[in-house]
Amino acid sequence: QVQLVESGGGVVQPGKSRRLSCAASGFSLSNFGMHWVRQAPGKGLEWVAVLFYDGDESYADSVKGRFTISRDSSNNTLYLELNSLTLEDTAVYFCAKERQQWLVVGAFDNWGQGTLITVSS
Amino acid sequence: DIQLTQSPSSLSASVGDRVTITCQASQDITNYINWFQHKPGKAPKVLIYDASTLEAGVPSRFSGGGSGTHFTLSISSLQPDDIATYYCQQYDNLPPTFGQGTKLEIK
Repeated sequence: QVQLVESGGGVVQPGKSRRLSCAASGFSLSNFGMHWVRQAPGKGLEWVAVLFYDGDESYADSVKGRFTISRDSSNNTLYLELNSLTLEDTAVYFCAKERQQWLVVGAFDNWGQGTLITVSS
Repeated sequence: DIQLTQSPSSLSASVGDRVTITCQASQDITNYINWFQHKPGKAPKVLIYDASTLEAGVPSRFSGGGSGTHFTLSISSLQPDDIATYYCQQYDNLPPTFGQGTKLEIK
């Protein structure tokens, strides 16, 4: 059974960094594209980044150059490194899995419950 | 990026009612659309994929339809457990994009 569990949220000062984790079980991260999606308080859902099964990465313009997506295949965990945080990065961050192996199109089939990042001085 | 316009933004209905939510895409996305349900503090749950395919384990009262640019999610007989926010999401092109959500309440 697929399970995704995010962690790493909390209160962070503007300009600081934080690393989010998404522990995956029930499948191998290396075979699937994995995404981060966020939802700011009272706002809609915003796609943040994708890690392709072959290691390629892609980012939303709003986070490009500040956020880095990665994985550790040995412990089947996805990461999102958040740097130079601003107030506008305050959101619940979700990880989401692609439905099919070896295909990255944004067809999510499983999501985690999310972890909240609050950027505040 | 492909824009999805979802309506209504909120909906109040009675138990047993039929409910329909619509999603309009800014360009033809064939049938590459998910519908999912999100309850506060929980993981979003995919209900429908490829516009009309029911995800395993999802009650048959949920159904999806449409193709091209116009899509619908219907609940044939609303149940109290269906209280949630519902979203459409396209995967015809990266980046995936989302409708603004429909908050469903019981009258």
